[in-house]
Amino acid sequence: GAVVSQHPSRVICKSGTSVKIECRSLDFQATTMFWYRQFPKKSLMLMATSNEGSKATYEQGVEKDKFLINHASLTLSTLTVTSAHPEDSSFYICSARRRRPADRDYGYTFGSGTRLTVV
Amino acid sequence: QKEVEQDPGPLSVPEGAIVSLNCTYSNSAFQYFMWYRQYSRKGPELLMYTYSSGNKEDGRFTAQVDKSSKYISLFIRDSQPSDSATYLCAAPYGQNFVFGPGTRLSVLP
Repeated sequence: GAVVSQHPSRVICKSGTSVKIECRSLDFQATTMFWYRQFPKKSLMLMATSNEGSKATYEQGVEKDKFLINHASLTLSTLTVTSAHPEDSSFYICSARRRRPADRDYGYTFGSGTRLTVV
Repeated sequence: QKEVEQDPGPLSVPEGAIVSLNCTYSNSAFQYFMWYRQYSRKGPELLMYTYSSGNKEDGRFTAQVDKSSKYISLFIRDSQPSDSATYLCAAPYGQNFVFGPGTRLSVLP
């Protein structure tokens, strides 16, 4: 089945530094990848949608200069949190859409998430 | 008004109980519905999806959609402690999903 690998699973960084999170589709090509943020006991909040080879589309209220998204290939998208602050501490999850939707999952698979703690 | 509503719980049941998880939605344009299970500190994993009104069964899980009342349900039979997780209902919309806030379920041994 479709597998999306997300790394790192957990990262602690100092305030002011940048952190890169990777999302890879292991056995399929992902034309579109989504980045979500999830606060404790809250649902997933879409941050941005990235299409391979083009600029990401950010949701309202998400700073594109702070959350840099790169989708350079059909199997890799990265989210870089720049100049991280404690309020950026959260659970970040990526989701990838298959090039050809499969019946089982309608073409969307989630990564396992990254717990970011900014100290 | 949120497009997908869900009681956040927590819902605690004894092992073996039948669990009923519910969502309501407001957008008539939603055609498909999914149930995702999310364990603590993990990404969501797809449990079931449904397209039309009616029931769909998969092992101990049954998904039910009532489009006339805009109501989605997930039933878990013979619940197990391993079912303890947050359950999110979702509806694809365009390229994305609209998620409910999730219901936290605890199945007590």
